[in-house]
Amino acid sequence: QKEVEQNSGPLSVPEGAIASLNCTYSDRGSQSFFWYRQYSGKSPELIMFIYSNGDKEDGRFTAQLNKASQYVSLLIRDSQPSDSATYLCAVRVRGGYNKLIFGAGTRLAVHP
Amino acid sequence: DAGVTQSPTHLIKTRGQQVTLRCSPKSGHDTVSWYQQALGQGPQFIFQYYEEEERQRGNFPDRFSGHQFPNYSSELNVNALLLGDSALYLCASSLAARRDGYEQYFGPGTRLTVT
Repeated sequence: QKEVEQNSGPLSVPEGAIASLNCTYSDRGSQSFFWYRQYSGKSPELIMFIYSNGDKEDGRFTAQLNKASQYVSLLIRDSQPSDSATYLCAVRVRGGYNKLIFGAGTRLAVHP
Repeated sequence: DAGVTQSPTHLIKTRGQQVTLRCSPKSGHDTVSWYQQALGQGPQFIFQYYEEEERQRGNFPDRFSGHQFPNYSSELNVNALLLGDSALYLCASSLAARRDGYEQYFGPGTRLTVT
């Protein structure tokens, strides 16, 4: 079992819709959770992080964390073509200082 | 506010050669982590430097080594290059004192091609 799992996609959504990206992790002691956006040929850009159960909102983005289910998600409201990218889920595991474990990413395509 | 910088942007090397990649962390940050990202994969943790010492290491061979300088900048060295070392090498900076998110910010990366 991979430590952090994401559907590779592509996830295709129409412009203006809500995109829902999901991630599961295996280490129940994981402490912090991060979402990065990566455009093709570029480096990852931090979108949001969350460390408590529940929802955290920032503009059009909402991160959701459920530690009991070992599940974290990212919702993108009013999706735009410029949101088309690969979204990486990363987890900081317990005892790991600041080591991040990444999923392979989900490719999102927003079509006009 | 200066972000994370890396050099060079691109590099082409031959098998068996050695390479040095450089990174300067975001202003105010004191911790540097290095990641390797193969095509179509997520970044894989190589190691992390804090207070000029390697604090944690991922599952990479000893051919991968590093250094952190007093100004917090860092180098990644790879010896005896293999074709499989071709990847995007990412440097991420963070602040050790943060107790909540420990968010890491990535530099633009160095694309290494081994022929």
